[in-house]
Amino acid sequence: GAGVSQSPRYKVAKRGQDVALRCDPISGHVSLFWYQQALGQGPEFLTYFQNEAQLDKSGLPSDRFFAERPEGSVSTLKIQRTQQEDSAVYLCASSLESGDEKLFFGSGTQLSVL
Amino acid sequence: SQQGEEDPQALSIQEGENATMNCSYKTSINNLQWYRQNSGRGLVHLILIRSNEREKHSGRLRVTLDTSKKSSSLLITASRAADTASYFCAPFERSGGSYIPTFGRGTSLIVHP
Repeated sequence: GAGVSQSPRYKVAKRGQDVALRCDPISGHVSLFWYQQALGQGPEFLTYFQNEAQLDKSGLPSDRFFAERPEGSVSTLKIQRTQQEDSAVYLCASSLESGDEKLFFGSGTQLSVL
Repeated sequence: SQQGEEDPQALSIQEGENATMNCSYKTSINNLQWYRQNSGRGLVHLILIRSNEREKHSGRLRVTLDTSKKSSSLLITASRAADTASYFCAPFERSGGSYIPTFGRGTSLIVHP
């Protein structure tokens, strides 16, 4: 595709529900990042993939958060037993190489947990 | 954790004026990038400066990097109303065997026509 695609654009979940957020990076991009952005804040790093390998997951806030990229392209961020503090915009970004290439961001998924 | 920290948090100027935003970071980096975000949208890459560079230009943008002070600045010259947005720096910090871009809280720029 022409850019990074994220779905759904908006997600409303009841507290305790599981949610899955999808990211379709630019074809051929090796690196993929997930960020969480609270209202009025900057993006907070969650996790990083190089192809299918999850090289860094130090930003995942709890074991309720899980991410995968099984074939090195599409990635899914899963949040189990959602809580109100999980409400945020979840951004996905990809880059051609790793380490010093510019990032291309998707429009994000806005998650609201009621 | 947020590595880059922008200053000021908010900036309000008139069209035609220059806007300067500063960024500080805490650890060693291999490059630093600046991004722009319009309300409700994803971030857009503006400019990249590597750790061995001191200054870079792109159109109306000028970025400087001082690795001894762990700081960078972004200058937007002859600002336009369309430059109204939030601006973030992203130092690429070494984490394990990778370089991870971390973002600060950003500078909210308002350019009045």
